Amino acid sequence: AQKITQTQPGMFVQEKEAVTLDCTYDTSDPSYGLFWYKQPSSGEMIFLIYQGSYDQQNATEGRYSLNFQKARKSANLVISASQLGDSAMYFCARSNSNYQLIWGAGTKLIIKP
Amino acid sequence: NAGVTQTPKFRVLKTGQSMTLLCAQDMNHEYMYWYRQDPGMGLRLIHYSVGEGTTAKGEVPDGYNVSRLKKQNFLLGLESAAPSQTSVYFCASSYDPSGGFTDTQYFGPGTRLTVL
Repeated sequence: AQKITQTQPGMFVQEKEAVTLDCTYDTSDPSYGLFWYKQPSSGEMIFLIYQGSYDQQNATEGRYSLNFQKARKSANLVISASQLGDSAMYFCARSNSNYQLIWGAGTKLIIKP
Repeated sequence: NAGVTQTPKFRVLKTGQSMTLLCAQDMNHEYMYWYRQDPGMGLRLIHYSVGEGTTAKGEVPDGYNVSRLKKQNFLLGLESAAPSQTSVYFCASSYDPSGGFTDTQYFGPGTRLTVL
């Protein structure tokens, strides 16, 4: 099965430190997208960042960046200068050729003051 | 521009009852999706639609039906609810043809359904 693996079920990080959330994926599709979503305790799914498989540069959106290593099939999310409001579940997902998203199980990130 | 909205936000059903969840989007998106999220898990795709009048099965379609009679609306039906369908249901949409292709999905706020 073509799946997404997030190996860190939970992480604790000190406020203002940078944090890396891991994501690896399987695929045989030549073209795909990689996504990260944030789900705070309020429950909504918030889109954070997108990386296309043919993009030459790593995607960045404010404090979020995606460390994309295509040969290793990894798409780690880096959050710089973490804030208390970053405490949430984070999900990695990959699009397939049918425009569906395949999801990882998520990482629960807790930022300590 | 409300994005993706879902109705209702909460619902409690008894086993065997039926209900319909409504999803609406105002972003001119072609594709719409219904997911369920169970505790401690990622999202699982129930059904999806790539355009008005079309629907397709996802990973966990059993016990659910869908309809997409209008481009902006996607309905999820439970004909005979079971306790195993207790979950949080999310609707999402993607791809505005006038804006160039992107498969980023945007989500509604979710519906928390409990089946007793």
